[in-house]
Amino acid sequence: SAVISQKPSRDICQRGTSLTIQCQVDSQVTMMFWYRQQPGQSLTLIATANQGSEATYESGFVIDKFPISRPNLTFSTLTVSNMSPEDSSIYLCSAGLLVGNEQFFGPGTRLTVL
Amino acid sequence: AQKITQTQPGMFVQEKEAVTLDCTYDTSDPSYGLFWYKQPSSGEMIFLIYQGSYDQQNATEGRYSLNFQKARKSANLVISASQLGDSAMYFCAMRGLSNTPLVFGKGTRLSVIA
Repeated sequence: SAVISQKPSRDICQRGTSLTIQCQVDSQVTMMFWYRQQPGQSLTLIATANQGSEATYESGFVIDKFPISRPNLTFSTLTVSNMSPEDSSIYLCSAGLLVGNEQFFGPGTRLTVL
Repeated sequence: AQKITQTQPGMFVQEKEAVTLDCTYDTSDPSYGLFWYKQPSSGEMIFLIYQGSYDQQNATEGRYSLNFQKARKSANLVISASQLGDSAMYFCAMRGLSNTPLVFGKGTRLSVIA
């Protein structure tokens, strides 16, 4: 299995500011994924973080709003830029091991924007 | 495109009884994987069980089993001997190729009653 950690675990931010969320995996993985879970909703994929190339964004999500970095095989960051109250969500990092079928999730970052 | 449908927004089950959570899916991929996750109120996503589309037998993990009916495109989760700690949101998800992102259903909230 893999252990995925995220920092911060939660934050309360002011409108118009930015927050960077860190995701660290204890094993080398190929793909890392960022999801958003709005209150009372299911998980929605924001983007796939590719090592050594730009992230691949899903429809409705843009790089200017959610810039992503992936400098190596075990680490990625997601920035939520120019935040508004609508960005209040849980943000989850996910990854699958090089071998095996499971896909693991970090504990999530609970973001509240005032 | 892949789609997951969970038609039960909420379920109640008596402690020590078994419960089935429904999941149907749609995909044009010849090979795919089906997943179930548990999300307690803390927000973490806990991997429960995986079923590959070419697996001959239904997956089992302890008290969890997956009732996979390929022709009906269903992948129901069966929890045996329910415990109070099983109260949580349960999400069904799927993906095509390995290391592609998961697509989630809307989830089912399970409440276990003493």
